[in-house]
Amino acid sequence: GAVVSQHPSRVICKSGTSVKIECRSLDFQATTMFWYRQFPKKSLMLMATSNEGSKATYEQGVEKDKFLINHASLTLSTLTVTSAHPEDSSFYICSAGVGTSTDTQYFGPGTRLTVL
Amino acid sequence: QKEVEQDPGPLSVPEGAIVSLNCTYSNSAFQYFMWYRQYSRKGPELLMYTYSSGNKEDGRFTAQVDKSSKYISLFIRDSQPSDSATYLCAIGANNLFFGTGTRLTVIP
Repeated sequence: GAVVSQHPSRVICKSGTSVKIECRSLDFQATTMFWYRQFPKKSLMLMATSNEGSKATYEQGVEKDKFLINHASLTLSTLTVTSAHPEDSSFYICSAGVGTSTDTQYFGPGTRLTVL
Repeated sequence: QKEVEQDPGPLSVPEGAIVSLNCTYSNSAFQYFMWYRQYSRKGPELLMYTYSSGNKEDGRFTAQVDKSSKYISLFIRDSQPSDSATYLCAIGANNLFFGTGTRLTVIP
């Protein structure tokens, strides 16, 4: 149980386009989903926390208009990277939890975004 | 079968104890082995990173990889209350698969 999927697993896009990444909890209802960004061999940076039916809470320094997060249901959250630029190239990882804390969370396999 | 399995704990130990955290994985093609530490409301912090079988030591932390058994461990010597956190293993190749995390509490 407690499986989280991400789609797509890999995406390459042109500069200026928008990319949507989906995060789904497959066999449980996630009240909270977390979005992380990872640079090579670095720690994961928490970008935002999303709760179903409400606006996401963004961490300091993360542009809300750049990284749009929607948590439409208890099993789906989406991250849209708008007007992507090469510096947005990274590994984006979501996790889903059943509470509001990060203590128990289940990670997705990640999405590797490359912006040309 | 999940790609990575990790005992969620929780694990409570007295200060100064040696802590052993473990993960198993299913895919022999996995080549990156990582351990993260996560405090509440923070992103996971990369502790150890290795490609190969064997031991890698960094201060009080030792990461051990046994590819033949598909088993990795993180040992913490002389554990401190500040080590109290959730520890996540992450293993993969092109993608990274995380364990569920083990919540550790070190009691003064």
